[in-house]
Amino acid sequence: GQQVMQIPQYQHVQEGEDFTTYCNSSTTLSNIQWYKQRPGGHPVFLIQLVKSGEVKKQKRLTFQFGEAKKNSSLHITATQTTDVGTYFCAGPTTSGSRLTFGEGTQLTVNP
Amino acid sequence: DAGVIQSPRHEVTEMGQEVTLRCKPISGHNSLFWYRQTMMRGLELLIYFNNNVPIDDSGMPEDRFSAKMPNASFSTLKIQPSEPRDSAVYFCASSLKFGGLYSPLHFGNGTRLTVT
Repeated sequence: GQQVMQIPQYQHVQEGEDFTTYCNSSTTLSNIQWYKQRPGGHPVFLIQLVKSGEVKKQKRLTFQFGEAKKNSSLHITATQTTDVGTYFCAGPTTSGSRLTFGEGTQLTVNP
Repeated sequence: DAGVIQSPRHEVTEMGQEVTLRCKPISGHNSLFWYRQTMMRGLELLIYFNNNVPIDDSGMPEDRFSAKMPNASFSTLKIQPSEPRDSAVYFCASSLKFGGLYSPLHFGNGTRLTVT
C-alpha cells in the first residue's frame, strides 16, 4: 500500500539555526498537507500544496512540493523556541479516500 | 466555531473495563476520523466515516474496538474489554470531503487513555 515516509525522525537544533524535514511518498500525490503538533497538543493544519513544484511561505516556514509530486519539504529559517513540536506530512491514498500521515519529525530547539 | 470536541480529556481504567470515547465534529463537516497516537506507532488511522457511514475500518486493531456515528454531530469509539496495550492518545478529526479531495483535518484535543 501507499507509504508516506519522513526524515529525520528527530532533530535537535540551537535557536537561530535552520531546520528541514523531508517527506517522500511511494506514489504520486494529488496534494500534500503539513501539520504541526506541539508537545501535549493535537495536530494543527499548516498548509496544503497541490501543484507540481509549488512553493509556499508562511513567515519563516517554506514548503515545497516536488516536481514529480512524490516528495515535499518543510524548511524553517532561524528557528525559535516556539517552533518546538512534531511536524507531520500527510498525503491522500491513491483512491483519495483518506489521508496517510508520515511518522513525523520531532523538532527540539535549544535556547 | 467550537472546533472538534472530544470527551473525556483523560480516562484511567482497569484492564477488562469498557471504555467509551466521544466526539462532536465541526458542524457541516461530512467526514470524521478516529486516530490513535503512541510513541511506538505514531499516528494511526483507526476508522473513518463519510456522511455517517463507516468507509474504512481496516485500522481497527481487533474486535474489541468498535465505532459508531449515529448522526452527523456525534461519534463514539468503544473498547471492550480494554487492555493495557490500548493506552494511548485517541484523536478525533473532522473535515469536509468534496469530490475526491479532503479539506484540512481539524483535530480535537484528544483523549488520553490509561489502562492499568
